[in-house]
Amino acid sequence: DVVMTQSPVSLPVTLGQPASISCRSSQSLVHRDGNSYVDWVQQRPGQSPRRLIYTVSNRDSGVPDRFSGSGSGTDFTLNISRVEAEDVGVYYCMQGSRWPPTFGGGTKVEIK
Amino acid sequence: EVQLVESGGDLVQPGGSLRLSCAASGFTFSSSWMIWVRQAPGKGLEWVANINQPGNQKYHVDSVKGRFTISRDNAKNSLYLQMNSLRLEDTAVYYCARGDGVGAIDCWGQGTLVTVSS
Repeated sequence: DVVMTQSPVSLPVTLGQPASISCRSSQSLVHRDGNSYVDWVQQRPGQSPRRLIYTVSNRDSGVPDRFSGSGSGTDFTLNISRVEAEDVGVYYCMQGSRWPPTFGGGTKVEIK
Repeated sequence: EVQLVESGGDLVQPGGSLRLSCAASGFTFSSSWMIWVRQAPGKGLEWVANINQPGNQKYHVDSVKGRFTISRDNAKNSLYLQMNSLRLEDTAVYYCARGDGVGAIDCWGQGTLVTVSS
């Protein structure tokens, strides 16, 4: 199975400052159709997960544009341009290019 | 509005059985492949099982293979997870989710808690 390694595990951020989360896969996530199926999922405290980004860089409906995704091959990044209080939670990367789909271990974003 | 509502979670003894249900609404259930994902207390997310639209193709992660069975009833807009021979390590919140494209999830339920303990 593909191993998704996220860093950092914990990310204290000052309100209004940028944040960046890295996700590295154990093998290339380029699907046979040429796309890379990497999603980013947010889980706020006490809530169920919610997808933010799909296929590396596409924002889901209703997701603020301060969230952006990038990357290729085995290295992917979620960026938050200016962290707001509502962004506190755990963020997971997930790959669907190789069966079975697997998740990263999570990055906990908290306010300093 | 897309809604996925899980039920059936409970406290069960090791070796016991439980059946989880997920009621879907707000979309064409029969056109969507469906997934169960679990999250052990304080831990990350784990893909458990998925099923295609007609219900004739199923995948179960190795750790539950032979013990859990995913199924669906398109006439009832419902997804199920039959869990047998439960182990302590199966303790988790189980989420019902809708599949979107290649190996992706676009919508999650609120989850149901399964606790395996003696």
